[in-house]
Amino acid sequence: DVKVTQSSRYLVKRTGEKVFLECVQDMDHENMFWYRQDPGLGLRLIYFSYDVKMKEKGDIPEGYSVSREKKERFSLILESASTNQTSMYLCASNGGTDQPQHFGDGTRLSIL
Amino acid sequence: QKEVEQDPGPLSVPEGAIVSLNCTYSNSAFQYFMWYRQYSRKGPELLMYTYSSGNKEDGRFTAQVDKSSKYISLFIRDSQPSDSATYLCAMGAYSSASKIIFGSGTRLSIRP
Repeated sequence: DVKVTQSSRYLVKRTGEKVFLECVQDMDHENMFWYRQDPGLGLRLIYFSYDVKMKEKGDIPEGYSVSREKKERFSLILESASTNQTSMYLCASNGGTDQPQHFGDGTRLSIL
Repeated sequence: QKEVEQDPGPLSVPEGAIVSLNCTYSNSAFQYFMWYRQYSRKGPELLMYTYSSGNKEDGRFTAQVDKSSKYISLFIRDSQPSDSATYLCAMGAYSSASKIIFGSGTRLSIRP
C-alpha cells in the first residue's frame, strides 16, 4: 500500500512565524502535491512537483513556497504565517499523469 | 460555473439501504474518474478509479461513468454505519500534468 506521511497532525503557530510542513511518500512516486481543505471551499491545490527540484504553482500559491530536495520528500513553507492560513493541509502523491493521488492524513494548522 | 458539481448533502439513510452519490462535470477533456472517502480528521482514501464509461464494481461499491452525459455516480449496497463519511468525486485529463479536480464532497450518514 502507498504510504504518505505528514510529520504533524496538529500544529499551532503565531502570526508572522515561518512554518514548515513536511510530507514523505514511500512509493517512489514522481509527483507530489500540497492542498488545503476548507469547509465550503473543498480541496484547493497550492503547489505540486513532478520531479526533484521542480515545482509548479497550483490555484492558490500566494503566501506559500515549496521545496523538493529528495524524491520522497515535499515540504510546504508558509513564509510569514497569517490567520487566513488556518486550515487543514493535505499532501498527496501519484506515480504518473493518469494515476490516482494518494493522500496523507493531513495537518490541521492553526495560526493565532 | 464550477468544473465539477457535487451535492454537499448531508445525506442520511438507514442501515442496509442503497446509497447513490453523484457528480456532474462540464469539461469534456476529463478522461479518468475517482471516488474518495474521507472520515473526519483524516485524509481522503481512494475508493474507486476508472477511466472508461460504464460500471466498475468492487465489493459493495459500484462506480458508474457516463461520459456522454458528463455524469458519474457511486453506489453503495448494503450500507453500514462505518460508511458514514464524506465522499469526494475527482477527475482528471491526461493533458493536465497530473492535476485533478475535486468535487466539494457529499457528507453521508448511515443510521443504525
